[in-house]
Amino acid sequence: EPEVTQTPSHQVTQMGQEVILRCVPISNHLYFYWYRQILGQKVEFLVSFYNNEISEKSEIFDDQFSVERPDGSNFTLKIRSTKLEDSAMYFCASSATRTDTQYFGPGTRLTVL
Amino acid sequence: KNQVEQSPQSLIILEGKNCTLQCNYTVSPFSNLRWYKQDTGRGPVSLTIMTFSENTKSNGRYTATLDADTKQSSLHITASQLSDSASYICVVTALSGSARQLTFGSGTQLTVLP
Repeated sequence: EPEVTQTPSHQVTQMGQEVILRCVPISNHLYFYWYRQILGQKVEFLVSFYNNEISEKSEIFDDQFSVERPDGSNFTLKIRSTKLEDSAMYFCASSATRTDTQYFGPGTRLTVL
Repeated sequence: KNQVEQSPQSLIILEGKNCTLQCNYTVSPFSNLRWYKQDTGRGPVSLTIMTFSENTKSNGRYTATLDADTKQSSLHITASQLSDSASYICVVTALSGSARQLTFGSGTQLTVLP
């Protein structure tokens, strides 16, 4: 069964450094998403992406964040200058249509020191 | 502000028993409600999706109900198994024009003991 994959599974970085989290969505899906989950808290929506542009974003997704689909398979989330409070699990998801079920990847645990 | 409240926060049951998890929401305009299962350290996995006109939907041992009038949903798990131990998250989608917003509940942490 096709699945969303994410790399790396764990990322440790120093405050102020840039990180890029990578995702490979399900191949025939057209809608892509990033979510985050701070330890012990609920999942929060960050951004959705369709047709090579951001379609929706939350207030969390500020200028420090950017997303890109650099090729036909990868979908990336870049955090330009990480802060301690960026430490969280970051989930990528994809769906075939805007209203279809979103399939989540296993997540990348980001730790900012 | 859109909100999704789940209860109980945590639940411990014995293997083989049934349980029911609750979700109350204040999300408008309502589009659909999903229940997800999230194993520790993993991404959420969709169990059921219900739209405004659906009252009940089953997926194996999982049965979800929706009362759009009272804005309540429940997830009933029958004959629980050890592998059912996970967090169960209620997610409600609001759809207004082209804008879609997903609001996640905090989840119910279910532990099934042998």
